[in-house]
Amino acid sequence: EVQLVQSGAEVKKPGESLKISCKGSGYSFTSYWIGWVRQMPGKGLEWMGIIYPGDSDTRYSPSFQGQVTISADKSISTAYLQWSSLKASDTAMYYCARHIVVVTAIPADAFDIWGQGTMVTVSS
Amino acid sequence: QSALTQPASVSGSPGQSITISCTGTSSDVGSYNLVSWYQQHPGKAPKLMIYEGSKRPSGVSNRFSGSKSGNTASLTISGLQAEDEADYYCCSYAGSSTLGVFGTGTKVTVL
Repeated sequence: EVQLVQSGAEVKKPGESLKISCKGSGYSFTSYWIGWVRQMPGKGLEWMGIIYPGDSDTRYSPSFQGQVTISADKSISTAYLQWSSLKASDTAMYYCARHIVVVTAIPADAFDIWGQGTMVTVSS
Repeated sequence: QSALTQPASVSGSPGQSITISCTGTSSDVGSYNLVSWYQQHPGKAPKLMIYEGSKRPSGVSNRFSGSKSGNTASLTISGLQAEDEADYYCCSYAGSSTLGVFGTGTKVTVL
């Protein structure tokens, strides 16, 4: 079964760092882009960025450039989303998702497989 | 890059058809045939319903169909069922600098 399994919920204080994970299984992890999507409480979906685990090519949406870091460890089929200094406004559900097209240079298409989401709460 | 514009809510009775619009610009929806639609039930992850404007992934009911005209994409749900009650989001490629942009989301209510 093709699936993405994300790490568990996190509760952090402002200024702390955090790295959440997304482990792929059931397919060739290095052949598909993995994207990250934010959903703030009661709000819509936001496209954050995407990584190709095969060569770690990473692209960011302008709104998230410099705010987060996306990485991947292909040896353990896992992608990551990290913050160096969390803010209360980072409180949200974060989803990882697999790009639908295999081995493509341009991650322009849909996300066909989604993780279950990781809730991040930042509060003093 | 602003979010694509969707109606906040759409409703219909069981068996009816409804259409959700997704309005963008000539820099996103109008330039690429790369609009996707996602269904999200409360507390659940989004599910892909339509990709590349009108293609259905395996396992998605043929009651769901997609189309595009100019800068506006549309999702039509025919034979509305209670289980279709959910939030729906469109998404479009917006070029190599912006990458993807989601719509504002539409809550579908089955009366």
